[in-house]
Amino acid sequence: DTAVSQTPKYLVTQMGNDKSIKCEQNLGHDTMYWYKQDSKKFLKIMFSYNNKELIINETVPNRFSPKSPDKAHLNLHINSLELGDSAVYFCASSPAVNQPQHFGDGTRLSIL
Amino acid sequence: SQQGEEDPQALSIQEGENATMNCSYKTSINNLQWYRQNSGRGLVHLILIRSNEREKHSGRLRVTLDTSKKSSSLLITASRAADTASYFCARRWGAGGTSYGKLTFGQGTILTVHP
Repeated sequence: DTAVSQTPKYLVTQMGNDKSIKCEQNLGHDTMYWYKQDSKKFLKIMFSYNNKELIINETVPNRFSPKSPDKAHLNLHINSLELGDSAVYFCASSPAVNQPQHFGDGTRLSIL
Repeated sequence: SQQGEEDPQALSIQEGENATMNCSYKTSINNLQWYRQNSGRGLVHLILIRSNEREKHSGRLRVTLDTSKKSSSLLITASRAADTASYFCARRWGAGGTSYGKLTFGQGTILTVHP
């Protein structure tokens, strides 16, 4: 009955690989987000979708590509992983863009 | 930068004491939100205060907002060991365009409550 669920919880992979993180919310929310939290706990927005439409696209490398097949899902695909991509990635959702956000428990990505 | 600051970076108190965390920002906001993050978990929303509000309460939590000073504070009264977590303020700014719905988070305050 988890509201915002991300898979996998941990991802350890080699530099140069391509990987995906999946996110699903069962709250019926219209808006979903991806955040990156670095080792100093600084949380930065990456992307946001509203009703499957991209509304926020921060300055992130184009190796990162979000995909929203439907309102309940927002996946993140990362190509050619680099050491600096190591971080915790959080998915979140909200009923509307100015409403409080509900976060998943994060995916800890470690690049070897 | 829109980010502003939070202080203190870390706060250590005894159970039963009050904890106050502060958040400052640099540009006008639409609303300001406080979140809690337990170790290894996602953020949990605590309180949202709009730019035309000055104070909000939720249980043992009290949030104030001073738009003239561009600052907010979160007060946790009668703290418990279970309140140990990181606390973040997030500013929502912008009314469309590339700022639409964007929240800007600070680096948070790490609160430790000793039993």
